[in-house]
Amino acid sequence: QSALTQPASVSGSPGQSITISCTGTSSDVGGYNYVSWYQQHPGKAPKFMIFDVSNRPSGVSNRFSGSKSGNTASLTISGLQAEDEAFYYCSSYTGYNWVFGGGTKLTVL
Amino acid sequence: QVQLVQSGAEVKRPGASVKVSCKASGYTFTSQNMHWVRQAPGQGPEWMGIINPSGGSPTYEQKLQGRVTVTRDTSTSTVYMELSSLTSEDTAVYYCARDSGRHSFDHWGQGTLVIVSS
Repeated sequence: QSALTQPASVSGSPGQSITISCTGTSSDVGGYNYVSWYQQHPGKAPKFMIFDVSNRPSGVSNRFSGSKSGNTASLTISGLQAEDEAFYYCSSYTGYNWVFGGGTKLTVL
Repeated sequence: QVQLVQSGAEVKRPGASVKVSCKASGYTFTSQNMHWVRQAPGQGPEWMGIINPSGGSPTYEQKLQGRVTVTRDTSTSTVYMELSSLTSEDTAVYYCARDSGRHSFDHWGQGTLVIVSS
């Protein structure tokens, strides 16, 4: 059982926006602004998408954005594209280790 | 460009040990910490440990303490992860991942599948 809770699946049509939630506790998500998000296509390594809750690494589309409220972080993808279909994982630093969510399968209809 | 190249897949018997390597290139090896993360089939990633390639003691996930050892060889820019007393629950893809400097993982190796089966 993963430390951070994500919905198992979300879906949206091309061009729409979706949001994936990531719920933790005051010891991880709520206690630090070190939430990050990763995209993973089947059989591939995760790809770095968001760090420090809402910052995008260079090269990541501005269609991806992150936010946090209390113990819940969120990833929003706007203008959905077919290539966005993948698994998405959140992660948080806890002060002494790192924890991940169980992952959310995004389906682009 | 940053590259992390890992060793190949392994099949091990229960009770055995496995050692996975991760060779870094494209940046100064000693400038960034390196993590090990594993992902069991159909599961989310699980953090295992971190090492500072410049030196100092690695830090491990508490549940793996005593079974996992992370080392580095600065002469070859390679990090190693050894896991002992393997059980079927250790069957997973094992990744090395570079720390971004912001408590996140900015570059990942291609993954090494470790299967534990009798």
